[in-house]
Amino acid sequence: DAKTTQPPSMDCAEGRAANLPCNHSTISGNEYVYWYRQIHSQGPQYIIHGLKNNETNEMASLIITEDRKSSTLILPHATLRDTAVYYCIVRTYSGAGSYQLTFGKGTKLSVIP
Amino acid sequence: DGGITQSPKYLFRKEGQNVTLSCEQNLNHDAMYWYRQDPGQGLRLIYYSQIVNDFQKGDIAEGYSVSREKKESFPLTVTSAQKNPTAFYLCATAKWTSGRSGTDTQYFGPGTRLTVL
Repeated sequence: DAKTTQPPSMDCAEGRAANLPCNHSTISGNEYVYWYRQIHSQGPQYIIHGLKNNETNEMASLIITEDRKSSTLILPHATLRDTAVYYCIVRTYSGAGSYQLTFGKGTKLSVIP
Repeated sequence: DGGITQSPKYLFRKEGQNVTLSCEQNLNHDAMYWYRQDPGQGLRLIYYSQIVNDFQKGDIAEGYSVSREKKESFPLTVTSAQKNPTAFYLCATAKWTSGRSGTDTQYFGPGTRLTVL
């Protein structure tokens, strides 16, 4: 089962910041939070990941609370091409150097013109 | 994607036939993965391989088989034993971290949509 909880859908006006929340209250101290997005009928696209510090790259920012029980993905200026399903994933260790991604149903973000 | 190729994009087969899905990568990544996605659902892990000639079952391996004879290739065979084979199949790859303590970020291919008639 996924270790994360996300709202099933969200809307965002084009040009505004999109803030996508995620709860992961059972996360362990060495588990990373990963974000991917999936545009319809395409493979998931990696966005960003973090452990406990806030992270930023060319696509988005990731804000992780101090207790690490929740995080927020921020798309600073949403465009219509950002319409997709966004997955928040806690990457878990499955042994022998292997990490597993367990996908939930994600948040469907609709960017409105 | 980019360095991960899955072909074909759409595949149709008759019920009872085995079918093999292709996944090729030129990223020099050690680990490769196969996932299945059903409509409106997240991805579920079928099999994964961290090195050549070795692979492990994921959460839903029944009715599937894989091989890893080359680092670049990780084909998935959907056998007639798979009860509901119609789905979107995704391949992913990951490199080992510099200290080889584990695998790094997974990157996904474009997927193959399999329809069994």
